[in-house]
Amino acid sequence: DVKVTQSSRYLVKRTGEKVFLECVQDMDHENMFWYRQDPGLGLRLIYFSYDVKMKEKGDIPEGYSVSREKKERFSLILESASTNQTSMYLCASSFSYEQYFGPGTRLTVT
Amino acid sequence: AQTVTQSQPEMSVQEAETVTLSCTYDTSESDYYLFWYKQPPSRQMILVIRQEAYKQQNATENRFSVNFQKAAKSFSLKISDSQLGDAAMYFCAYRSHYSIQGAQKLVFGQGTRLTINP
Repeated sequence: DVKVTQSSRYLVKRTGEKVFLECVQDMDHENMFWYRQDPGLGLRLIYFSYDVKMKEKGDIPEGYSVSREKKERFSLILESASTNQTSMYLCASSFSYEQYFGPGTRLTVT
Repeated sequence: AQTVTQSQPEMSVQEAETVTLSCTYDTSESDYYLFWYKQPPSRQMILVIRQEAYKQQNATENRFSVNFQKAAKSFSLKISDSQLGDAAMYFCAYRSHYSIQGAQKLVFGQGTRLTINP
């Protein structure tokens, strides 16, 4: 079975802090994705990566950056957390059509 | 740009009955994939069913089936013999068929929260 893990289930940070969300997959997938999930808006793509060190902006990249130094790991970085970044963050990986999701990190910025 | 719309924020059904969740989408492409994903409370999102646009036959997976109407750009999910474990958030999603960089991303609808009444 494909396993996608995220470093934290719940995270509370203060405004202005730098925040790292980590995602690891164990199936050698080329593609990895970061989404944020908000009520009434569904999932929106922040960034994705199709190979090591390669990244592409999604639909809502502002305020975020990403890093992919190893194939299995994809990190989402909030350079200076703001209250409007309070959300559920989901990581996913894929090889072909199906995306496999992690359990999510619920981030609260106070 | 493609868009996906789920117009039912919440649905409920009695256990053992049938429920249909609606999804419409907008695209100018002729070849694509459509998916239904399920997100149970506090659990990971999993794929329920997928449909390739070039296939006329509707996809089925056990108690889950879809009604794919390409001309109408409609993709509904039917759950038969509803069970308590079907309670979840359901998301409809679109993906282009083309595998160029950037085309593998999913576009999601807003989600429908399904409640099963015992």
